[in-house]
Amino acid sequence: SQQGEEDPQALSIQEGENATMNCSYKTSINNLQWYRQNSGRGLVHLILIRSNEREKHSGRLRVTLDTSKKSSSLLITASRAADTASYFCAPGTPGNTPLVFGKGTRLSVIA
Amino acid sequence: DVKVTQSSRYLVKRTGEKVFLECVQDMDHENMFWYRQDPGLGLRLIYFSYDVKMKEKGDIPEGYSVSREKKERFSLILESASTNQTSMYLCASRGIQGASEKLFFGSGTQLSVL
Repeated sequence: SQQGEEDPQALSIQEGENATMNCSYKTSINNLQWYRQNSGRGLVHLILIRSNEREKHSGRLRVTLDTSKKSSSLLITASRAADTASYFCAPGTPGNTPLVFGKGTRLSVIA
Repeated sequence: DVKVTQSSRYLVKRTGEKVFLECVQDMDHENMFWYRQDPGLGLRLIYFSYDVKMKEKGDIPEGYSVSREKKERFSLILESASTNQTSMYLCASRGIQGASEKLFFGSGTQLSVL
C-alpha cells in the first residue's frame, strides 16, 4: 500500500469558481481513487481512474492522471456550497492491498 | 442501496473499559477495514480482514483487536480503553477485486474515552 499526499491542505473559494486539488504518490499504481468526506461523516467514493487513463469525467468532476509525474488532480467546476468537504486521494496498488489515505484537502465553498 | 452500518454514532466510555465497535455490511463483501481519523493526522489503518476469521494488522494495531466470525460483521475491540483512543472510527468494505474496487464507508463512530 502507499499513501497519496493531497495539496493544498486547505482551499477556500467563492461559489461558482472552480476548485483544483492535487495528489502525489511514490510508486507504481493500478488506479487512483478520490473520495469526499462531509464533516463528521464517512468517506464517499467519487471517481476511480485507471493507470492507463489520462482523464476521466463525472458530472462536474474532472480527474487527470500523470503516471510519469506520479500525480493526479481533481477539478470541481462551478463549485457549490454543498461541495464544502474534505477530499482524499488513494492510490490503488497491485493485489488486494488496503487503501491508505492522506490528510486530505479541506475545501470551503463560500456562498 | 448498499450499506455499511456502524452500531453507534457517538460513544462515551471510561478509561479501562472494554469497548466493542460493530460494523455490518450488506454487500457480501470479502474485505473489511477499520480506520481511525484524528485532526491533523488523516485516516490511519488499524486492522483489516480479507475473509471470515482472517485478520491483518494495519499501521496502528496496538491497543486494538478485531473479530470476524461472519462475513458481514467486523468488530473492533478496545481491550482496555485509554484516553488516547478518543477518535473517530470508520469502518469500510469492498469486494474481492481488491484495490480495483471502491470502498464503502460507514458513517463513523465518534468515541470519547474519559
